Amino acid sequence: DSGVTQTPKHLITATGQRVTLRCSPRSGDLSVYWYQQSLDQGLQFLIQYYNGEERAKGNILERFSAQQFPDLHSELNLSSLELGDSALYFCASSDSMNSYNEQFFGPGTRLTVL
Amino acid sequence: EDKVVQSPLSLVVHEGDTVTLNCSYEVTNFRSLLWYKQEKKAPTFLFMLTSSGIEKKSGRLSSILDKKELFSILNITATQTGDSAVYLCAVENTGGFKTIFGAGTRLFVKA
Repeated sequence: DSGVTQTPKHLITATGQRVTLRCSPRSGDLSVYWYQQSLDQGLQFLIQYYNGEERAKGNILERFSAQQFPDLHSELNLSSLELGDSALYFCASSDSMNSYNEQFFGPGTRLTVL
Repeated sequence: EDKVVQSPLSLVVHEGDTVTLNCSYEVTNFRSLLWYKQEKKAPTFLFMLTSSGIEKKSGRLSSILDKKELFSILNITATQTGDSAVYLCAVENTGGFKTIFGAGTRLFVKA
């Protein structure tokens, strides 16, 4: 158990819908990272937040957005969902601003878009 | 374009064998290279490498980085069935602190 929690575990929804994935980092970690893992794309970095502020952006679509709240939990919002958005979404946390230290991954949320 | 290439894509070995997994990369403003092990669920951290030629070791696993030739290897000696997993290599750059992952090497260790 990494100490990072993600909810829900599974999510099935229809195209065009909007979903919110939630992540609680390890106690004391200020950095939260979001990743998407699909069969054809592998693990892709989406976005990083540090202490409530956006720190780095990867391959995140405009339909996706994220935020980190004052209690340090983070939410990833996915809207206008498409079939290709079906994937495993991981959240990771670390105690470093610069992702220089080990990132601890949560168990992931499996999103299925029908 | 930054990229990370891992080889082989998959391999099957017998318990007790030694395996070497390869990771080559092209990235601007290299910061660090990381190895992760992914079984059924989330990746778990193995090593972070920042300096060339310094071997990092943890039990039967070891890894080394060559920043001149832009590659890293992960060695697993005396493999066990519990080593069966996908091994991911990732590279971080300093430009935006992005992390780029390779496609992974799927290792299957037969009893």
